[in-house]
Amino acid sequence: NAGVTQTPKFQVLKTGQSMTLQCAQDMNHNSMYWYRQDPGMGLRLIYYSASEGTTDKGEVPNGYNVSRLNKREFSLRLESAAPSQTSVYFCASSGLAGGYYEQYFGPGTRLTVT
Amino acid sequence: GESVGLHLPTLSVQEGDNSIINCAYSNSASDYFIWYKQESGKGPQFIIDIRSNMDKRQGQRVTVLLNKTVKHLSLQIAATQPGDSAVYFCAENRAGGFKTIFGAGTRLFVKA
Repeated sequence: NAGVTQTPKFQVLKTGQSMTLQCAQDMNHNSMYWYRQDPGMGLRLIYYSASEGTTDKGEVPNGYNVSRLNKREFSLRLESAAPSQTSVYFCASSGLAGGYYEQYFGPGTRLTVT
Repeated sequence: GESVGLHLPTLSVQEGDNSIINCAYSNSASDYFIWYKQESGKGPQFIIDIRSNMDKRQGQRVTVLLNKTVKHLSLQIAATQPGDSAVYFCAENRAGGFKTIFGAGTRLFVKA
């Protein structure tokens, strides 16, 4: 049971380049999330998927798109990377436990846009 | 090195002492609160949670206290160890809510 896995671990992009961050979970969770984490700030929600087939915007969705490929996989795409998107990106999944959603996080992708 | 949390509030404690990390939450409708620990280079890890019908909950060496009147949450770590050095986040949610709101975090340094 690997939990939540993310690829790649590190990435450097030039402004304007595109890339897709991959995330997979093996806990049979319905909900998945993408966050970004910047220095001195907490986690900010980019997009989430409450269940397979649905996606919704979070707090900071501009410049990103997502795909819930199946129940296991949730990808985040940067179509035209900008330096402001330099950040650490975390994927998370959650399952309902006693009426509440406990989130489990992946190890993160450290992205630098030059 | 790890760039996350460079400007976070910092708590420095001596190994073996107790640590108290505080958090103010924002949403009066929140009824589920979680503490996460994030070590350098890793994702946040669940430590302990508490629901709004409780004031206190204890785990192994950790205790969470909830004061709904002033919307305040605290995490107490007993006999702090070097392995407790990390950034600690409080988070809030509500029953059936998909979105968890995270605080900015507090960096804990444990001095040997």
